[in-house]
Amino acid sequence: KAGVTQTPRYLIKTRGQQVTLSCSPISGHRSVSWYQQTPGQGLQFLFEYFSETQRNKGNFPGRFSGRQFSNSRSEMNVSTLELGDSALYLCASSRIVPGQGGNEQFFGPGTRLTVL
Amino acid sequence: SQELEQSPQSLIVQEGKNLTINCTSSKTLYGLYWYKQKYGEGLIFLMMLQKGGEEKSHEKITAKLDEKKQQSSLHITASQPSHAGIYLCGADRATNKLIFGTGTLLAVQP
Repeated sequence: KAGVTQTPRYLIKTRGQQVTLSCSPISGHRSVSWYQQTPGQGLQFLFEYFSETQRNKGNFPGRFSGRQFSNSRSEMNVSTLELGDSALYLCASSRIVPGQGGNEQFFGPGTRLTVL
Repeated sequence: SQELEQSPQSLIVQEGKNLTINCTSSKTLYGLYWYKQKYGEGLIFLMMLQKGGEEKSHEKITAKLDEKKQQSSLHITASQPSHAGIYLCGADRATNKLIFGTGTLLAVQP
């Protein structure tokens, strides 16, 4: 079974631009979560989508948005990029098991975004 | 302060030595996850613990969740260079919303 894939792997943008990152979950997984990882703040939750609906959101400004398609693939968008948005963006997919309290999240390799 | 604290922050051990990494939460843990990360790469799932007193092992790695469900430990027996990396503990704060600890950087010297 193929793992979680993220595209592109590396991206360089300048301040003020916008960027779209893509995530394809493991086949059969309907939940996709996004995380931002920086040396200063560590790994932080951005948002989670399930069945095309955002269910949870982290503490990030409105410049960060996302969506999920009917095939469970997800995209996240960052508008008006700032230098501080430089980070490794990770997505994770999970197979929701009804009645199971915890769900293993499988992570993709990440997209390294550099904002100049 | 961080909701999940990991200790130590970094660790250098000789190959073959045992080591323990701790993860302490300021809140009750209802789902505790251990991941390993190679620098700049994605996270590799190691184990998930849910019940107080639960212990799981995979190869030479054992993870435990204490009875009070506020602390977890990850123990590596007879460490190898392949164990090197960053170890992260994560906790469920909502469905598929994990908060993570600060991470522990492990180096294993041959």
